[in-house]
Amino acid sequence: NAGVMQNPRHLVRRRGQEARLRCSPMKGHSHVYWYRQLPEEGLKFMVYLQKENIIDESGMPKERFSAEFPKEGPSILRIQQVVRGDSAAYFCASSPEQGDTGELFFGEGSRLTVL
Amino acid sequence: AQTVTQSQPEMSVQEAETVTLSCTYDTSESNYYLFWYKQPPSRQMILVIRQEAYKQQNATENRFSVNFQKAAKSFSLKISDSQLGDTAMYFCAFMKQGLNDMRFGAGTRLTVKP
Repeated sequence: NAGVMQNPRHLVRRRGQEARLRCSPMKGHSHVYWYRQLPEEGLKFMVYLQKENIIDESGMPKERFSAEFPKEGPSILRIQQVVRGDSAAYFCASSPEQGDTGELFFGEGSRLTVL
Repeated sequence: AQTVTQSQPEMSVQEAETVTLSCTYDTSESNYYLFWYKQPPSRQMILVIRQEAYKQQNATENRFSVNFQKAAKSFSLKISDSQLGDTAMYFCAFMKQGLNDMRFGAGTRLTVKP
């Protein structure tokens, strides 16, 4: 059973470009979470999605950031017009049910570098 | 709002010895989960141990154990017989039962010395 798969592992963008990060949850998981980790800091919650629905986006910046989890295919975190402050590791996690198991399964992260 | 505090930015321990990492949290909830995650240089987040708040018994996983003090809102991690492979960042995390928002501390960088 494959774990949470994220790609790309590393992404370099110039200021003003768009970044798209993809996450395929574990098989059988229908809940996806995105976290951001700035250098030397812990993970910060961004958004929680179920298939075709955004459940909680309270941690996501109001501008330039969006996330989706379509019926088919991976979840996508999209950052428009990237700035240097967006440079971070973005982690995706999945779970089979909301909070019932009290455990999230993390991917290996996508590291975004904005030049 | 729940906050998680790790007051030790860095720690070191000699191989084969024991080390304890501290974590405190602030919440008004009674039902929640607490976690310790390990993040090695590969940056993968690896679950080390998990504790349900309603359980009084401290969780253990091989060389890893916790000291969960609910009244004091303290959740420390003890690593026994430290190994070189234990070198990593360790994050304490809190999650309210039934919710999705896992809150992390700032982390403790542990170095195991040969």
